[in-house]
Amino acid sequence: GDSVTQMEGPVTLSEEAFLTINCTYTATGYPSLFWYVQYPGEGLQLLLKATKADDKGSNKGFEATYRKETTSFHLEKGSVQVSDSAVYFCALSDAGSYKLIFGSGTRLLVRP
Amino acid sequence: EPEVTQTPSHQVTQMGQEVILRCVPISNHLYFYWYRQILGQKVEFLVSFYNNEISEKSEIFDDQFSVERPDGSNFTLKIRSTKLEDSAMYFCASSEGDRLSNQPQHFGDGTRLSIL
Repeated sequence: GDSVTQMEGPVTLSEEAFLTINCTYTATGYPSLFWYVQYPGEGLQLLLKATKADDKGSNKGFEATYRKETTSFHLEKGSVQVSDSAVYFCALSDAGSYKLIFGSGTRLLVRP
Repeated sequence: EPEVTQTPSHQVTQMGQEVILRCVPISNHLYFYWYRQILGQKVEFLVSFYNNEISEKSEIFDDQFSVERPDGSNFTLKIRSTKLEDSAMYFCASSEGDRLSNQPQHFGDGTRLSIL
């Protein structure tokens, strides 16, 4: 079945460092891909999305490109801030299904 | 910005008791969902609901679970006879359209359910 695999956390970075969180997926069709973020004590917030191959989603300085050839949707940010500390979830939704399938989440800790 | 609201934020219930988790989706949204996250595990899909009926459910969503939209604003998840393994964070979500319309799902802050 469909699945999402994310890199293990926690990821600890200094402020202004470059961030990459890897995400790969397995799907039978042509899924839409998402990154959600969960700040401490809050729910899941949509960060960005991409609906077809080579689309780039971007928001708040974060970017991810839908790579069909490598079945990947890696999250990147050029310069992280302390306020970016959160858990990041990669997810997909496949054609014909209403559900989101989530990765296990990657905790990011940014130190001043 | 409109948001999905869930109540209560934390529910403690004795094993075998019924529990109802409540959600108020975003007002113009038509599709509603429940997910759960057992501590340390992935967020898992439970059920989707559209036009007053279940449109999709997972194998987790057995006869002990039910969903209802009792009025024009609330969306509830009922667990009839809770088990210890039902302890989890339960998230409600809603979307304006389904996946084919590329409308994303918006999530509430969750209800932490603790079964004793």
